[in-house]
Amino acid sequence: DMKVTQMPRYLIKRMGENVLLECGQDMSHETMYWYRQDPGLGLQLIYISYDVDSNSEGDIPKGYRVSRKKREHFSLILDSAKTNQTSVYFCASSLSQGLSYEQYFGPGTRLTVL
Amino acid sequence: GDSVTQTEGPVTVSESESLIINCTYSATSIAYPNLFWYVRYPGEGLQLLLKVITAGQKGSSRGFEATYNKETTSFHLQKASVQESDSAVYYCALGYGSSGNKLIFGIGTLLSVKP
Repeated sequence: DMKVTQMPRYLIKRMGENVLLECGQDMSHETMYWYRQDPGLGLQLIYISYDVDSNSEGDIPKGYRVSRKKREHFSLILDSAKTNQTSVYFCASSLSQGLSYEQYFGPGTRLTVL
Repeated sequence: GDSVTQTEGPVTVSESESLIINCTYSATSIAYPNLFWYVRYPGEGLQLLLKVITAGQKGSSRGFEATYNKETTSFHLQKASVQESDSAVYYCALGYGSSGNKLIFGIGTLLSVKP
């Protein structure tokens, strides 16, 4: 069963705390993504990973970093979280680069930073 | 710039009624944009509903269809007769990028279908 999982699904943190969001996929996809969605906005790309240790900034990378040590796992890290990082975060994966490959999304993590 | 604008929700329709969710795009820096509709059912991740990579072509899936109109820069989603199970959030997206699979999303349209 093709699946992208995200943990945790809900998270509340205080400003200045570190946050780790985890994403896994069971499809051996090379490419993985992190997005965030805020009210009134579409999903915005934070980072892309083309494979293990091959990561690239997306459109809004400031305040985030990522880690991909295994093909099936992709982590999003917020060092010293800020209140404006309250959002819903989506992870996705795709078979390879290029537009002919669809992206498969996880269910999202709702992060609240107080 | 490059952007996607879609019908602002929520949209409420009765079962068996027809549906149209409007989507227009701006692709000033993208030579050959590809267009997508994704859907997110409650508690699940986004999943691809349909895609069209060539202007003038129509995509269809699960009774939904959308035509890529380059003249009007539109990609409206239509269904002749909706079902309660179609209740979800629908996202129009513009694809680009020679080095990767990048998508620009609209804000999403929440559709509620009344039984």
